[in-house]
Amino acid sequence: DTEVTQTPKHLVMGMTNKKSLKCEQHMGHRAMYWYKQKAKKPPELMFVYSYEKLSINESVPSRFSPECPNSSLLNLHLHALQPEDSALYLCASSQMLLGQGASSSYNEQFFGPGTRLTVL
Amino acid sequence: GDSVTQMEGPVTLSEEAFLTINCTYTATGYPSLFWYVQYPGEGLQLLLKATKADDKGSNKGFEATYRKETTSFHLEKGSVQVSDSAVYFCALSSAGGFKTIFGAGTRLFVKA
Repeated sequence: DTEVTQTPKHLVMGMTNKKSLKCEQHMGHRAMYWYKQKAKKPPELMFVYSYEKLSINESVPSRFSPECPNSSLLNLHLHALQPEDSALYLCASSQMLLGQGASSSYNEQFFGPGTRLTVL
Repeated sequence: GDSVTQMEGPVTLSEEAFLTINCTYTATGYPSLFWYVQYPGEGLQLLLKATKADDKGSNKGFEATYRKETTSFHLEKGSVQVSDSAVYFCALSSAGGFKTIFGAGTRLFVKA
């Protein structure tokens, strides 16, 4: 199974709502990621979990709250979002792999299909 | 810091035309290089990768060669199809890190 799944596919929420995005992978990957992608832009990294611990938070506002309940699941809890938070939210996972350069390793990420979020 | 620069689009080609999308990078050490593709309404898919200098990644008729002397990883395909219409992202991953640096993306339109 080389798939990353995300639910829901689409989400519309008001600025006072609380909702959650879910991501799941069964490839045994120990790193999982949340990205935000605006139209016609590359993905922007939000959070990285490594071995279920938060490793990177790219100065994301606290209205986004990640959670990694186990090695296969990643959630993103949303609260009091703004209309400018409307975007495609992508989940990814990876296993750090050894490259063939001197002391190199590389990070091949597998992406889910994304959740299209609209904040009204 | 590390960065990736790729040619601006959109690129519009007729079916069976030759495709080149230029990508250059700036990085310390020995980064690994990737091309990802994003079809309309979907997430990103890894198209090909190269982990050391002179490696050639290839997949689905696409190729790219890791050129350390010119810090480039240009994407090529000999004969594009309408189904290749998508956005293509060049990316790098630095040794030992979790961050992947993406280029701005190049949108490709292929006309029948």
